[in-house]
Amino acid sequence: ELKVEQNPLFLSMQEGKNYTIYCNYSTTSDRLYWYRQDPGKSLESLFVLLSNGAVKQEGRLMASLDTKARLSTLHITAAVHDLSATYFCAVAPGGTSYGKLTFGQGTILTVHP
Amino acid sequence: DGGITQSPKYLFRKEGQNVTLSCEQNLNHDAMYWYRQDPGQGLRLIYYSQIVNDFQKGDIAEGYSVSREKKESFPLTVTSAQKNPTAFYLCASSPRVYEAFFGQGTRLTVV
Repeated sequence: ELKVEQNPLFLSMQEGKNYTIYCNYSTTSDRLYWYRQDPGKSLESLFVLLSNGAVKQEGRLMASLDTKARLSTLHITAAVHDLSATYFCAVAPGGTSYGKLTFGQGTILTVHP
Repeated sequence: DGGITQSPKYLFRKEGQNVTLSCEQNLNHDAMYWYRQDPGQGLRLIYYSQIVNDFQKGDIAEGYSVSREKKESFPLTVTSAQKNPTAFYLCASSPRVYEAFFGQGTRLTVV
């Protein structure tokens, strides 16, 4: 059974600081996703990581994937209040239907002035 | 506009009642999915369908049923057998590539 674990589950940051969210998964996968969710809203796709060593950046967020370690990271640089949200990683096991995802528990990020 | 439309946005169910959540997509995607989200938790897969007239159980299918009579539509019925249906339900679809797209969700509450 595929398990996906995120840490930390709660993250309180000051504006301007850097931090990293970690996503570990238990079995081989060829796709890893990062999503953002605002309260009461749907999921917004942030990154899709498809291969070992993949790194993607968008604004203050950067995601990376190490398939050998079964680890993905979401790095936040110089946090701003607008980044406050819940962040999920999700994994699709190799060879499965493309939207059949196993999600982590989510990391609730709060950025303070 | 292409997208995934879920309705209603809010739904209230009485004890012992069946209710149906609608999911329609005009993206011409082959596969569609239903996920459930409980407060403070990640999403869990209920059912998915890769082609019309075929669907498979996900991790938490008990108490739910689906149909896929048209490519565009994948309704979810929450039956009276689902003892704890209060949750946020998200529908998703994907083409035959690696991306999945989510609808805006239906919040179901038992009253």
